[in-house]
Amino acid sequence: DTAVSQTPKYLVTQMGNDKSIKCEQNLGHDTMYWYKQDSKKFLKIMFSYNNKELIINETVPNRFSPKSPDKAHLNLHINSLELGDSAVYFCASSPEYNSPLHFGNGTRLTVT
Amino acid sequence: AQSVTQLDSQVPVFEEAPVELRCNYSSSVSVYLFWYVQYPNQGLQLLLKYLSGSTLVKGINGFEAEFNKSQTSFHLRKPSVHISDTAEYFCAVAGSNYKLTFGKGTLLTVNP
Repeated sequence: DTAVSQTPKYLVTQMGNDKSIKCEQNLGHDTMYWYKQDSKKFLKIMFSYNNKELIINETVPNRFSPKSPDKAHLNLHINSLELGDSAVYFCASSPEYNSPLHFGNGTRLTVT
Repeated sequence: AQSVTQLDSQVPVFEEAPVELRCNYSSSVSVYLFWYVQYPNQGLQLLLKYLSGSTLVKGINGFEAEFNKSQTSFHLRKPSVHISDTAEYFCAVAGSNYKLTFGKGTLLTVNP
């Protein structure tokens, strides 16, 4: 059983399109995250939800909108995609703030 | 605010040699420290963590790290590396705000 699963694994799309990435965790964790990993492997937090409530919202363009329908799911919707959005997006979860994160395998987004 | 500096972007070593990957952090509050490993095209996997207690922590795959508060360091070590240890290694620090901040990563390449 996959603990944190993301779909799709690969996403290729054109500039200007709108796309979504889904994430689900079956660990019973209260906190979920989205991280962006750029081409230089740098990981930066984008959002964090705790029990469906947004608790971290880093300086991310408002074209990015997270949605948490329940505490097991955290989806990421991106409007008007730009070339600079190309990256690997990781979903993660943890039981509490000082606990290790459990990562999904990532979604490689390529914007052409 | 917290930050992490990984002093080496790349570390090449020969198989069975010892290795040390360096990590320094800064934080204004108590910290929790982690090392993660990322194999090619995969998500991040926890190697080890320091939350409190003994400053020498042991992790998976024969890795260990030592927390040094006076030097604000959390260096990762392994006495004898294998080809399979080739991967990207990330040091990370968490404070009280649900936010895990990552270093820029160190690419460990183990050569035969």
